[in-house]
Amino acid sequence: DAGVIQSPRHEVTEMGQEVTLRCKPISGHDYLFWYRQTMMRGLELLIYFNNNVPIDDSGMPEDRFSAKMPNASFSTLKIQPSEPRDSAVYFCASSLAGEVGETQYFGPGTRLLVL
Amino acid sequence: QKEVEQNSGPLSVPEGAIASLNCTYSDRVSQSFFWYRQYSGKSPELIMSIYSNGDKEDGRFTAQLNKASQYVSLLIRDSQPSDSATYLCAVRRGSTLGRLYFGRGTQLTVWP
Repeated sequence: DAGVIQSPRHEVTEMGQEVTLRCKPISGHDYLFWYRQTMMRGLELLIYFNNNVPIDDSGMPEDRFSAKMPNASFSTLKIQPSEPRDSAVYFCASSLAGEVGETQYFGPGTRLLVL
Repeated sequence: QKEVEQNSGPLSVPEGAIASLNCTYSDRVSQSFFWYRQYSGKSPELIMSIYSNGDKEDGRFTAQLNKASQYVSLLIRDSQPSDSATYLCAVRRGSTLGRLYFGRGTQLTVWP
């Protein structure tokens, strides 16, 4: 299995621009998670989906952030407009309900720098 | 109180020593407990999971769980420089299927 795939791996943009991060979960997994990691705040859960339906978006910082999962194999996290404080590593993870341990498998992350 | 708390660290041990990483959680009905390792610049990867009280051993790693004390730990025996990483404790609560609650992590350095 290819694992969780994220793109782009690195993104540098200017304040005010729209940023779209993409994730392809492991095939067959029914949970998908978006996390943000910074030195100051650690690993934060932004939103997660079950069977393509958002379950909890309480971690989304503000209305500038939105996430979609149009099908079981693709999700996006969009920031519009971006701000310097959005600079972080964004991880996507997936898991399978009922699998022993329901291990979350993380993608390689997208390193976002907003200038 | 945060859901999951870990020693802030950093923790520094010599090669060959035992490294002890600790974690406490707030929800008594938590069911599943995980230790993830994260190398600098990489994504977290699962190294241990534990579901019942007691010890669980896997090679040089031992996870210990005490639900009465709401405490989970990770022991690394014969620490190696390659164990230098940040270790994240994660907890799954009974009421929130799928979701994990992560601690801030403890940075471990093993020096030769």
